[in-house]
Formats: sequence, structure tokens, C-alpha cells
Amino acid sequence: DAGVTQSPTHLIKTRGQHVTLRCSPISGHKSVSWYQQVLGQGPQFIFQYYEKEERGRGNFPDRFSARQFPNYSSELNVNALLLGDSALYLCASSLSERDGYTFGSGTRLTVV
Amino acid sequence: GQSLEQPSEVTAVEGAIVQINCTYQTSGFYGLSWYQQHDGGAPTFLSYNALDGLEETGRFSSFLSRSDSYGYLLLQELQMKDSASYFCAVDSGYALNFGKGTSLLVTP
Repeated sequence: DAGVTQSPTHLIKTRGQHVTLRCSPISGHKSVSWYQQVLGQGPQFIFQYYEKEERGRGNFPDRFSARQFPNYSSELNVNALLLGDSALYLCASSLSERDGYTFGSGTRLTVV
Repeated sequence: GQSLEQPSEVTAVEGAIVQINCTYQTSGFYGLSWYQQHDGGAPTFLSYNALDGLEETGRFSSFLSRSDSYGYLLLQELQMKDSASYFCAVDSGYALNFGKGTSLLVTP
């Protein structure tokens, strides 16, 4: 079975640009979450979507947005990139919290 | 708000037992999870405690005391491959709020 897949794996962008990151959850998982992880820190929650509806949003500026499609895949968009947005962006899907989240390998975003 | 405290680094010998503690302060609590992350890899799910007590999964066990806002991960029969970062995370219903992680080094 395919796990959570994310694309691209690496990305270099310039300050002020826009970026779109993509995620496909495990088949059958209707919940998709996005996390940001900077080096040496734990992942920080950005968004969770369930059945195409936003269930929760973390403490991130409005430059960050996301959506979930009918096939449960998801996109994370970041506008007006800042140097501080450089991080590993992780997508996770789950059946339930008790079953745990399965994380993708992430997209490494570098803003220069 | 949320805050989680766990040791930044732990070193143990192959074959030994190690315990990684986690204390938390949170405004919403559904459960405590533990994740393992190797350098350059994705976090992988280890365990979830919603109720007080011990959960055992192979060499790994996790404990939760909701009244003390405290949990721990116990790793037995340590192997070199267990060298990784370990994160506790509070489940607030729709989000996992992670600690800063504990870097475990297993030495021969």
C-alpha cells in the first residue's frame, strides 16, 4: 500500500514568491493535516482538513492557506514567502487519533 | 496555550532500558502520543494513551497520568537503530502539539 506521498521533495524559492505543496493521503484516510518543522524543533500544526472542511488551524499567518479535494488529496499554499518559512513541511493522514498519524517524507522548502 | 517539556538529549547503552519523560500543560487534552523520527526522515507513530496507565507495544511502552499531566516512553532492549529523536505530542482533538523532542543516542 502506498503511504502518504508529498511533492515536490525539495524546493527553492525566492522571498516574496508563492509556493504550492501537494499531498496524497493513504487510501481510505479522509483526514489530512499539515505541519511545519524547522531544524531542531518538533513539528508545528498548520491545518487539518476532514471531508474537505477545515477542522482546525494553527498559529500561522493568513499567508498560509490550504484546501482538500474530493479525492482527499490536499494542497498547502504559502504566499509572500519569507526567509523564516524555510522548513520541512509535513503532511499526515489518519483514520483516527488513536491509530496515529502517518506522515509523508515531507517537502524541504528553502527560501533565499 | 500548550507547552510540553521533555529532556533534550539522552544517551544509553545497547541492550539497556531508557525512559523519556514528558510533562505538559494544555487547555484541551484528548490523549498523548509518541513519535520517532530519524534524521532526515518522517515522524513515525509509536503509541497513543488516552487513559491513565501503561500501553505496551513490543519493546516500547508508554505511560500516562492525566492527573499529573505526565507521561513517559519506555524503550527496552535498546538497539543501535533506536538512535533517533522522540517526540511526545498532545492530541487536542484536531491537532497534535509536539514537544521539542528528545535526541536518543544508543552506544555500543
